[in-house]
Amino acid sequence: DSGVTQTPKHLITATGQRVTLRCSPRSGDLSVYWYQQSLDQGLQFLIQYYNGEERAKGNILERFSAQQFPDLHSELNLSSLELGDSALYFCASSPLAGGPVGVYEQYFGPGTRLTVT
Amino acid sequence: ELKVEQNPLFLSMQEGKNYTIYCNYSTTSDRLYWYRQDPGKSLESLFVLLSNGAVKQEGRLMASLDTKARLSTLHITAAVHDLSATYFCAVGSGGSNYKLTFGKGTLLTVNP
Repeated sequence: DSGVTQTPKHLITATGQRVTLRCSPRSGDLSVYWYQQSLDQGLQFLIQYYNGEERAKGNILERFSAQQFPDLHSELNLSSLELGDSALYFCASSPLAGGPVGVYEQYFGPGTRLTVT
Repeated sequence: ELKVEQNPLFLSMQEGKNYTIYCNYSTTSDRLYWYRQDPGKSLESLFVLLSNGAVKQEGRLMASLDTKARLSTLHITAAVHDLSATYFCAVGSGGSNYKLTFGKGTLLTVNP
């Protein structure tokens, strides 16, 4: 158990709908990352937040957005869902955002499996 | 754009045999990570390699890093069934806005 929690574990929804995935980082971790894992794209970095601020963006669609709240939990919002959005969405956390010194290991949550029908 | 290539993508081994998974990356990086993923599960951190020549071992797995060649290897010694999983390497980049770029993963199946 990494200490990162994600809810819900599974989500089934229809095309065109909007869903929110939630992540609570490990105690003390300020940085949260979202990743998408699908069979065709593999594991892709979506977005990073550090202490409430967006720090880095990866291959995140405009239909997707995220935020990190003052209590450091984060939410990933997916809207106008398409069949291709079906994937496993992971949240990871680490103590810091990055820098010249340090390990910057990321601890992954159990994931949310999203199925769009 | 940083690219991370793993090979092989599929590996079927007999118990007791040795094998190596390779991870090549395209731009300079000083941190290389290996993760394990069991089917339908999360990613478990195995190793973090921080410098050229770094070698780390845990049980039957040994990871090494050659930053000049931009190559990391994960060596499996005397494989056992419990090692069956997907193994990912990931390269850290981004300075103060750190992110991981993952390889496609190697699906390892150890047969009795």
